[in-house]
Amino acid sequence: EVQLLESGGGLVPRGGSLRLSCAASGLTFTSYAMSWVRQAPGKGLEWVSGISHSNSGDTTYYADSVKGRFTISRDSSKETVYLQMNRLRAEDTAVYYCATFSGSRSSDWFFDYWGQGTPVTVSS
Amino acid sequence: QSVLTQPPSVSGAPGQGVTISCTGSSSNIGAGYDVHWYQQLPGTAPKLLIYGNNNRPSGVPDRFSGSKSGTSASLAITGLQAEDEADYYCQTYDSSLSEYVFGTGTKVTVL
Repeated sequence: EVQLLESGGGLVPRGGSLRLSCAASGLTFTSYAMSWVRQAPGKGLEWVSGISHSNSGDTTYYADSVKGRFTISRDSSKETVYLQMNRLRAEDTAVYYCATFSGSRSSDWFFDYWGQGTPVTVSS
Repeated sequence: QSVLTQPPSVSGAPGQGVTISCTGSSSNIGAGYDVHWYQQLPGTAPKLLIYGNNNRPSGVPDRFSGSKSGTSASLAITGLQAEDEADYYCQTYDSSLSEYVFGTGTKVTVL
């Protein structure tokens, strides 16, 4: 059974930093591209960032709303993906979900397995 | 502002069918990118419902089906059940934004 367990969320002041972690199990980690998706309170889903599977050289992708502030990375030895979030803003307040990316080509990727999410609150 | 537009809500009686539309443009659905659908039950993480326009992951009932035409896609639910009450989101890739985009979301209510 595939499991994704996020951690690292919490309350942080505006302008601060936070690092989220997502530990994966039950899958061949190096074969999966990984991503982060967030959901602000009472709002819809927003893709945040993605990283290709290790065989593709760890190419990273970002939504414009976080580019230059967030950094995604992965550690295959720990089967964990990270999201380093800097210069946090009030509008970054959301539940952050880790999800696997699947699909035949990157432009057709979809999110097949999801974690339960970790909440991030940026105080203003 | 999402580039994929869905109706805010749809409803139907148990046993009936509903359809949720997802309207995009030439830089996303109209460009030929696959459309995927997710179900989010209250208080839970989203779950993949349909991938690659019309494919169901293992365990998803065949009451759920997807289709795509032009710059739009649709999710059809037949034989509505109480457990289908949830939010539903479409998703694809947008080449103008170079981003993976979600629809605005649709709340399905079973009357």
